[in-house]
Amino acid sequence: AQSVAQPEDQVNVAEGNPLTVKCTYSVSGNPYLFWYVQYPNRGLQFLLKYITGDNLVKGSYGFEAEFNKSQTSFHLKKPSALVSDSALYFCAVRDVYNQGGKLIFGQGTELSVKP
Amino acid sequence: GAGVSQTPSNKVTEKGKYVELRCDPISGHTALYWYRQSLGQGPEFLIYFQGTGAADDSGLPNDRFFAVRPEGSVSTLKIQRTERGDSAVYLCASSLGLPNPRLSGANVLTFGAGSRLTVL
Repeated sequence: AQSVAQPEDQVNVAEGNPLTVKCTYSVSGNPYLFWYVQYPNRGLQFLLKYITGDNLVKGSYGFEAEFNKSQTSFHLKKPSALVSDSALYFCAVRDVYNQGGKLIFGQGTELSVKP
Repeated sequence: GAGVSQTPSNKVTEKGKYVELRCDPISGHTALYWYRQSLGQGPEFLIYFQGTGAADDSGLPNDRFFAVRPEGSVSTLKIQRTERGDSAVYLCASSLGLPNPRLSGANVLTFGAGSRLTVL
């Protein structure tokens, strides 16, 4: 069965510093990987996805993520954090060969960026 | 519509009552998903429709939960004999659904704002 793990419940970063939000996954086939962000009292918003090709994918708001097949990881990164990046971040995986359209989410990581 | 619309945004009910939650997906999106999100947790998959049929209902917790999408557009999640443990935010999402699963796997889900259900 497919699964996603986000090992950190919370990440604290000072504004202007680089940030990393970790994600590891488990699928039996090839993974399609996604990051979503959730601001308070709002729906989930898509940030970026990895389907195939270049392991480094770039997304919205200056975020990027690196797919590492050997480590089964898909960590979210940003070179310089903003206070407005503070939100809840979710990693998600889809194993298209075995699970059809179902997207499985991690538990989420709360990012707090302080001025 | 421009986005995924969910109604009601907030529902308070008493234990044992019946509840319906509605989702209006983005026009032209053939795939529709229901998720449930409890406080401090990630979205938990409930059911996925491709057109009018439920392609995967493996996430429905028990037979009190049921969802329909009779015309392949609007969907209704129905919960019978509600329990306090059903309290959560119910999220709906839609995406372009393509017959080839390898292609549809790349499709991005667009989420609605959710329906917050509180069972007293």
